[in-house]
Amino acid sequence: GIQVEQSPPDLILQEGANSTLRCNFSDSVNNLQWFHQNPWGQLINLFYIPSGTKQNGRLSATTVATERYSLLYISSSQTTDSGVYFCAVQEGGANSKLTFGKGITLSVRP
Amino acid sequence: EAEVAQSPRYKITEKSQAVAFWCDPISGHATLYWYRQILGQGPELLVQFQDESVVDDSQLPKDRFSAERLKGVDSTLKIQPAELGDSAMYLCASSLNSWDIQYFGAGTRLSVL
Repeated sequence: GIQVEQSPPDLILQEGANSTLRCNFSDSVNNLQWFHQNPWGQLINLFYIPSGTKQNGRLSATTVATERYSLLYISSSQTTDSGVYFCAVQEGGANSKLTFGKGITLSVRP
Repeated sequence: EAEVAQSPRYKITEKSQAVAFWCDPISGHATLYWYRQILGQGPELLVQFQDESVVDDSQLPKDRFSAERLKGVDSTLKIQPAELGDSAMYLCASSLNSWDIQYFGAGTRLSVL
């Protein structure tokens, strides 16, 4: 099946700093989503981005489907950005499953 | 704002006991998913429903796990008997259709003693 690799595995930032989180995938995908899992375990969808660039406040994401990677940018980080960020991809037909990476653990220090 | 509801939030049980988790998806969402997340890893799909039909249960340990979505709305995931290795977070998600944005519930954290 498709492989999803996220880097770096862990990231520590000072509040106000910017960061880039990377997701590489091994095959063509129809669907790519970024999620944030807060310390209580809740997964929140950040972006649905199979290709192109999207922005939502301090967050933006870019997927270059032809080169099989996606980037999540966090600007002016806040302590509430802490948690685990997951990239998930879907390949193949309509009922193919979403495959998650192992996640990137972000800690933003005040 | 519509949410995916899950209960219970926490469950502690002894091995060999039966446990059940419940999920109510966002109204109108045809696709429902059950995931298992082990600490330090990403969620892994256990079973996917399209309306009341199972479309993927390839990773569901069918000797002890079962899932149903009888009327194509809410769903129940059951484990019988529970084993120590079943300790994990069980997440339910729903989407309008199988290629759309997935919305997750708060999860059930299971501890098997």
